[in-house]
Amino acid sequence: DAKTTQPPSMDCAEGRAANLPCNHSTISGNEYVYWYRQIHSQGPQYIIHGLKNNETNEMASLIITEDRKSSTLILPHATLRDTAVYYCIVRVQRTSYDKVIFGPGTSLSVIP
Amino acid sequence: GAVVSQHPSWVICKSGTSVKIECRSLDFQATTMFWYRQFPKQSLMLMATSNEGSKATYEQGVEKDKFLINHASLTLSTLTVTSAHPEDSSFYICSARVIGPKEAFFGQGTRLTVV
Repeated sequence: DAKTTQPPSMDCAEGRAANLPCNHSTISGNEYVYWYRQIHSQGPQYIIHGLKNNETNEMASLIITEDRKSSTLILPHATLRDTAVYYCIVRVQRTSYDKVIFGPGTSLSVIP
Repeated sequence: GAVVSQHPSWVICKSGTSVKIECRSLDFQATTMFWYRQFPKQSLMLMATSNEGSKATYEQGVEKDKFLINHASLTLSTLTVTSAHPEDSSFYICSARVIGPKEAFFGQGTRLTVV
């Protein structure tokens, strides 16, 4: 699976949009971009995923560049409860196994 | 979304004893489950892939005789830390997949402290 790079940490003011970047320049055509987050001492939580089109759900928006080499997760109105480590993962769906490998992620701190 | 439940949420055990952690998929069948370990301020590290009815596949560097994995049914996988030592103290997390380009679902994690 393709490797991703994310900034180690970011701050965001409460109520403002949090834009978390992810680079995945070696992504293959059949690999999806997934975002998860992990609030302290909890299991990871799925946020959103996409292949090439921009996606939006009740939690966030995912913007994928046209060349698919990078993406941005947008939390439109960050709250203190959004403070967490955010993981960007690219992977292909296989039939025999489908590991989810986590990188270091971005530690987002939402500041009052 | 689907729910994955881990039990216990936390456990303290004495050095040399064994500890069993359960991972259940509550509303779907999971032919494959995954076990992760996470040390403080570090990312999740995949330990092994648990396959229903067959032997688990361990990642490089993970001792299969120390971390026993059993996946006897489509809704239950267990991780047993045998002869636990203080360095095994960690946050253990399980995950289950639904086939297809779907998200993975994670348990809430188990905090193991070996004293």
